[in-house]
Amino acid sequence: ETGVTQTPRHLVMGMTNKKSLKCEQHLGHNAMYWYKQSAKKPLELMFVYSLEERVENNSVPSRFSPECPNSSHLFLHLHTLQPEDSALYLCASSPGQGAYEQYFGPGTRLTVT
Amino acid sequence: GESVGLHLPTLSVQEGDNSIINCAYSNSASDYFIWYKQESGKGPQFIIDIRSNMDKRQGQRVTVLLNKTVKHLSLQIAATQPGDSAVYFCADRGTGRRALTFGSGTRLQVQP
Repeated sequence: ETGVTQTPRHLVMGMTNKKSLKCEQHLGHNAMYWYKQSAKKPLELMFVYSLEERVENNSVPSRFSPECPNSSHLFLHLHTLQPEDSALYLCASSPGQGAYEQYFGPGTRLTVT
Repeated sequence: GESVGLHLPTLSVQEGDNSIINCAYSNSASDYFIWYKQESGKGPQFIIDIRSNMDKRQGQRVTVLLNKTVKHLSLQIAATQPGDSAVYFCADRGTGRRALTFGSGTRLQVQP
């Protein structure tokens, strides 16, 4: 799991809070992804970045705001979340935008109270 | 990484037996398929992949079979061990798409 790291591993936040999730990949990959994994749905793609450019936004509410300052780092800024946003947020990276083999981080378990 | 609350199909096998986990996909234009293993508290871990120009690929103790005619993918695990207990996901990539589409997963329980 040292290839893709995520912090924090657990986060509890109120609906009026602002917080950020961080992902870092040490694999030299060019593409990074945010996924949401909730209890009642399969893994859902949220955002795709390729060479720091957002190439896909999967109809995600604006209360989730991604940022990719370089090809090794990816952030997910959170504000005014809802309880239904509680889930495991997974970051992944792949060698290129072609989305072949993706390597996942351990995830951030988010609870919105 | 656990999918608590999600009703997952469960496969229960005895240690040492072979396991077969199945997956159906819907996109006939998919050109790449991959299997992941997710243990409790962890992110999905790559197991094996296969491209659409192949129908079988083998790894260490694992084999993936692809049947494009019926859009079916299977993962075979030989001599299943307790450490194989996890949720297994298949995913596919449609031609020209940037990301993978994941299935809901199968929970594998290995009985000692």
